[in-house]
Amino acid sequence: AQTVTQSQPEMSVQEAETVTLSCTYDTSESDYYLFWYKQPPSRQMILVIRQEAYKQQNATENRFSVNFQKAAKSFSLKISDSQLGDAAMYFCAYRGNAGGTSYGKLTFGQGTILTVHP
Amino acid sequence: KAGVTQTPRYLIKTRGQQVTLSCSPISGHRSVSWYQQTPGQGLQFLFEYFSETQRNKGNFPGRFSGRQFSNSRSEMNVSTLELGDSALYLCASSSVQGAPEAFFGQGTRLTVV
Repeated sequence: AQTVTQSQPEMSVQEAETVTLSCTYDTSESDYYLFWYKQPPSRQMILVIRQEAYKQQNATENRFSVNFQKAAKSFSLKISDSQLGDAAMYFCAYRGNAGGTSYGKLTFGQGTILTVHP
Repeated sequence: KAGVTQTPRYLIKTRGQQVTLSCSPISGHRSVSWYQQTPGQGLQFLFEYFSETQRNKGNFPGRFSGRQFSNSRSEMNVSTLELGDSALYLCASSSVQGAPEAFFGQGTRLTVV
């Protein structure tokens, strides 16, 4: 079974500063996707960024980037120039892509609450 | 393009009752999956449907069931409700089974009293 671990229950950052959220995962599969989702108080889960395991290049979406270390099974999210609207719960998630037991389902970490101070 | 729509948004039920939640995926999406979110257990996968067939199922008791219709809309049913079933139930849709991105609805908040 796949597991996803977020070891930081809470993080805080000053507006305009940079913050990094950590995530580790465990899997025996070789083909998979990793995601970061954001859940603001509205509870809507919003996809922030996605990384394909076969790609060595780290994904980037505007102010959001990841550090994907496949051998270490680590997948951290860096938020640059933090904004008040970035305050939310952030979830790291895993999804298999090879027709195995994890195919078609997301396995989530416990979440990290991010607070942004003005 | 409309997003994923879940109805109702809020629901209060009594122990022992049953409940049906509905999810309309993004137009053209054929895969629908359901998740339960609670403070204690976090986000847990319930099941996934593709082309009206359940393709994957999480570790939940048989009281939790679902189905998908030919228009890809999905319903999940919980029978004999227990207090522990109080949760936010999230539905997500993907264009095809195993497509990378899953897009979520706003959820149904179920309270069992």
